[in-house]
Amino acid sequence: EIVLTQSPDTLSLSPGERATLSCRASQSVNSNYLSWYQQKPGQAPRLLIYGASSRATDIPDRFSGSGSGTDFTLTITSLAPDDFAVYYCQQYGGSPLFTFGPGTRVNRK
Amino acid sequence: QVQLVQSGAEVKKPGSSVKVSCKASGDTFSNYAINWVRQAPGLGLEWMGGIIPIFGSTTYAQNFQGRLTITADESTSTAYLELSSLKSEDAALYYCARVGPTPVYFTYWGQGTLVTVSS
Repeated sequence: EIVLTQSPDTLSLSPGERATLSCRASQSVNSNYLSWYQQKPGQAPRLLIYGASSRATDIPDRFSGSGSGTDFTLTITSLAPDDFAVYYCQQYGGSPLFTFGPGTRVNRK
Repeated sequence: QVQLVQSGAEVKKPGSSVKVSCKASGDTFSNYAINWVRQAPGLGLEWMGGIIPIFGSTTYAQNFQGRLTITADESTSTAYLELSSLKSEDAALYYCARVGPTPVYFTYWGQGTLVTVSS
């Protein structure tokens, strides 16, 4: 089983600041199979990034993804008020077929 | 625009079963895998299993083998999750999610169905 670890658990930032979220895999992940989601309270997750670096439809360009192998990063260049949420990475492949990281909460400072 | 609309909240007793539906609209239902992901209160996301409606083929996470059945009705564009032998730990928000053009991520999500397990 590929285990995803996210860090930090919580990030406390102010609007306009840069957020850097890390997702580390227990073994190498095909970059095409690494995705990121945003979840706000009371809402379903929303796809942000797929294929490690491709933005999903209607996702602002302040969101970007990068990485390969076992280390992946989600960057929000300038936090908007709407960006305070929990972010999950997800990988495909192996058993179970899909696994999610435990999430990083981005809090408003 | 693809929409996934799930059935309403359920309250079940330990040992019983629950069946949750997920009705799709706005695209060709049969061609894309529908998966189920659950989220226990205050916790993260756990993939449970999925189905490709056109083939009826299913894949289940090992944690749920033997207790989980996922089905799909192409005539109504509806997928179903049935979880049996419910335990208190199964209390969670259950989401259906449809994969994207490449079936390695989830593009569309239902609104979630809350399942409470209580005696």
